[in-house]
Amino acid sequence: DQQVKQNSPSLSVQEGRISILNCDYTNSMFDYFLWYKKYPAEGPTFLISISSIKDKNEDGRFTVFLNKSAKHLSLHIVPSQPGDSAVYFCAASVPNFGNEKLTFGTGTRLTIIP
Amino acid sequence: NAGVTQTPKFQVLKTGQSMTLQCAQDMNHEYMSWYRQDPGMGLRLIHYSVGAGITDQGEVPNGYNVSRSTTEDFPLRLLSAAPSQTSVYFCASSRGGPTNEKLFFGSGTQLSVL
Repeated sequence: DQQVKQNSPSLSVQEGRISILNCDYTNSMFDYFLWYKKYPAEGPTFLISISSIKDKNEDGRFTVFLNKSAKHLSLHIVPSQPGDSAVYFCAASVPNFGNEKLTFGTGTRLTIIP
Repeated sequence: NAGVTQTPKFQVLKTGQSMTLQCAQDMNHEYMSWYRQDPGMGLRLIHYSVGAGITDQGEVPNGYNVSRSTTEDFPLRLLSAAPSQTSVYFCASSRGGPTNEKLFFGSGTQLSVL
């Protein structure tokens, strides 16, 4: 039972254009959402997060949008750069005073075409 | 600053063998966790710990044991390796729970069970 789903295993985008990565979830108890980025042969690194009390959070070229009614979040990268080529995981959690488990999606491999 | 260190990087086991994957962090983080990454499955939580002496199960705990005798170390033990445990294993730590504090991942251990 996949509670966090990334339905696009891969995505190719031209350099300079916008990359949009999508994530859907089924558990209505999820209250906090995160994106992690992973390069080959490395561990994932934190990218950006959003609390359910917001519908948008920005950090430089990265913006995460949350639509709670649709149980959907998306990551926008503008403009896309070759160094953005990586696997992106969305993750969700139910806050529990530090005793939390992150549930990750299956990942989307983003390729930026020069 | 080493961060999260995992050893070994690669390991081949025969079915039925046991082994311990080591994880150490030098950031004085309270929260530590183990994930496995499999194709099409994303990152799945095996076990986690919110502090020395405290551990709990994640999504896929069967066949694995953990202990947390110090803040720095969180080893993962495979009791009797099975081919289904062939995977890439990641250890991660955070200052507090992974909702409000970003996880720092090690570079992974690639395990093959023949």
